[in-house]
Amino acid sequence: QVQLQESGPGLVKPSETLSLTCTVSDGSISSYSWNWIRQPPGKGLEWVGYVSHIGTTYYNPSLKSRVSISVDTSKSQFSLKLSSVTAADTAVYYCARGREDYDILTGYYKRNHFDYWGQGTLVTVSS
Amino acid sequence: DIQMTQSPSILSASVGDRVTITCRASQSISIWLAWYQHKPGKAPKLLIYKASTLESGVPSRFSASGSGTEFTLTISSLQPDDFATYYCQQYNAYNFLSFGGGTKVEIK
Repeated sequence: QVQLQESGPGLVKPSETLSLTCTVSDGSISSYSWNWIRQPPGKGLEWVGYVSHIGTTYYNPSLKSRVSISVDTSKSQFSLKLSSVTAADTAVYYCARGREDYDILTGYYKRNHFDYWGQGTLVTVSS
Repeated sequence: DIQMTQSPSILSASVGDRVTITCRASQSISIWLAWYQHKPGKAPKLLIYKASTLESGVPSRFSASGSGTEFTLTISSLQPDDFATYYCQQYNAYNFLSFGGGTKVEIK
């Protein structure tokens, strides 16, 4: 059973950088894609971005100028950094494993749907 | 960017009811759609992927269909454990993933 666990500060000051780490329990970090998803209080889910198993990154355009996702396979961890945060970045942040489907029509893989998630960690942006 | 719209946003139902949730995409996403169940304080749970494929371990009362821009999730006989919020998610584009706004299934 794959387990993902988020860790990092629960309180970040405005204009500073939010940093979170997700630890993957089963060693599958070298495969799959690794995602961050967030949920502001009272709102729906928002995809933040992902790092693929070959290290390529993709980000939500609404956050692209402020976000960075990286992976450390030696530690079975991947990380999120979100800079210049405001109160609007207050949310529960989830890490999730992205699984692919093979598209027989194009011969390409479709990324991602999310088969394993962390429990989520609340990050509050406040002075 | 592909926008996903779910309806209704809130659905009131009783145990044993058949319920259907709709998800619409702003452009065709073929069959690249997933459905999740989300309960407060818990991690979302994958129910369906590739529009209609049931994830391993998910009860067979959950089913889904659709392609292109119109998709549905059906619970054939609502159980007490099914009261939750449900989200659709498209993964047609490798560089942009998006969720619907969610449908809360509450007790009538």
